[in-house]
Amino acid sequence: DTEVTQTPKHLVMGMTNKKSLKCEQHMGHRAMYWYKQKAKKPPELMFVYSYEKLSINESVPSRFSPECPNSSLLNLHLHALQPEDSALYLCASSQAPLGDWNSPLHFGNGTRLTVT
Amino acid sequence: GQNIDQPTEMTATEGAIVQINCTYQTSGFNGLFWYQQHAGEAPTFLSYNVLDGLEEKGRFSSFLSRSKGYSYLLLKELQMKDSASYLCAAPFGSGYNKLIFGAGTRLAVHP
Repeated sequence: DTEVTQTPKHLVMGMTNKKSLKCEQHMGHRAMYWYKQKAKKPPELMFVYSYEKLSINESVPSRFSPECPNSSLLNLHLHALQPEDSALYLCASSQAPLGDWNSPLHFGNGTRLTVT
Repeated sequence: GQNIDQPTEMTATEGAIVQINCTYQTSGFNGLFWYQQHAGEAPTFLSYNVLDGLEEKGRFSSFLSRSKGYSYLLLKELQMKDSASYLCAAPFGSGYNKLIFGAGTRLAVHP
């Protein structure tokens, strides 16, 4: 199993809703990442979890709240989002955290989020 | 600081060879990655270079010159399915623990 699985594939939510994005990997990877990607732009790093602990928060607004329940799962909780938060949210994992060992990031297919 | 530059768009003909360049500026260096991303899909890993020289993987090769802050991705025998964005990425941060992407090069392969 060499996949990173993200659910849901698509999500439409209102600005007052609370929703969660989910990401799962069973490759034994010890680092997991959230990226945000707008159309025709590169992925932008949001959060990094190393060995299930939050190691990097790229000054992301608090309306995005990450959670790593165990080494295989990564969630992104969403609350009171704005229309400009509409984007593709990509989860990735790597065998070890970058800096410890430069193993490549494996990306999921993303959740396409629309905030109305 | 951190900066990665790539051309925005390129076009090429099926069966031809294309070279996609990437220049980077960083206070330190800890390797460079190339990813391919088809429209609406996830980025997929192509190559990683940390030492100078050419790494060949089938139709795709990647080159690195650390002294020049320069890399390129070489695609041979182009196929229509190679139409995609190609993203150059490097680890940045005090512990080289953040993978930061260049803007990407959109390659269109024509018959």
